[in-house]
Amino acid sequence: DVKVTQSSRYLVKRTGEKVFLECVQDMDHENMFWYRQDPGLGLRLIYFSYDVKMKEKGDIPEGYSVSREKKERFSLILESASTNQTSMYLCASRTGTLDEQYFGPGTRLTVT
Amino acid sequence: AQSVAQPEDQVNVAEGNPLTVKCTYSVSGNPYLFWYVQYPNRGLQFLLKYITGDNLVKGSYGFEAEFNKSQTSFHLKKPSALVSDSALYFCAVRDRGSGNTGKLIFGQGTTLQVKP
Repeated sequence: DVKVTQSSRYLVKRTGEKVFLECVQDMDHENMFWYRQDPGLGLRLIYFSYDVKMKEKGDIPEGYSVSREKKERFSLILESASTNQTSMYLCASRTGTLDEQYFGPGTRLTVT
Repeated sequence: AQSVAQPEDQVNVAEGNPLTVKCTYSVSGNPYLFWYVQYPNRGLQFLLKYITGDNLVKGSYGFEAEFNKSQTSFHLKKPSALVSDSALYFCAVRDRGSGNTGKLIFGQGTTLQVKP
């Protein structure tokens, strides 16, 4: 079974802090994603990586950056956390563009 | 613009009854469609997808979905609901104009409540 793990289930940070969210997948998938999930808005894509060191902006990249130094690991960075970044963050990976995505359990981030 | 709509925020059904969770889409060209389920405090799990071929797609946990091109719909169905099916369901369509991304556009989600 594909396994996607995220470093924290729950995280509380203060406004202005730098926040790192880590995601690891164990199936040698090329593609990895970071989404945020907010009630009534579904999932919105923040960033996508299609290979090591390769990334593309999604629909809502402002205030976020990413890092993919190894194939299995994709990190989301909030450079200076703000209260409007309080959300559920989901990481996903997949093999090809027609393949389903496999999701991690999510990190619920609260910024106070 | 490509989009997905789930017209119902919540669907309530009694255990043992058939269930339908609705999804309509708007894309240019042939759509690639997906359904995912999210159980409480969990990530999304893949249920099924339509890429091409038979309009009736069967997936995990006894779910199926019917692709209807003329109505631009991809409704999720199950003949007999279980209480354990209670969850949040997302429909998604692949964005054909997204190049390498092949990103998915998600609907806003429908909460399914199955009562005993």
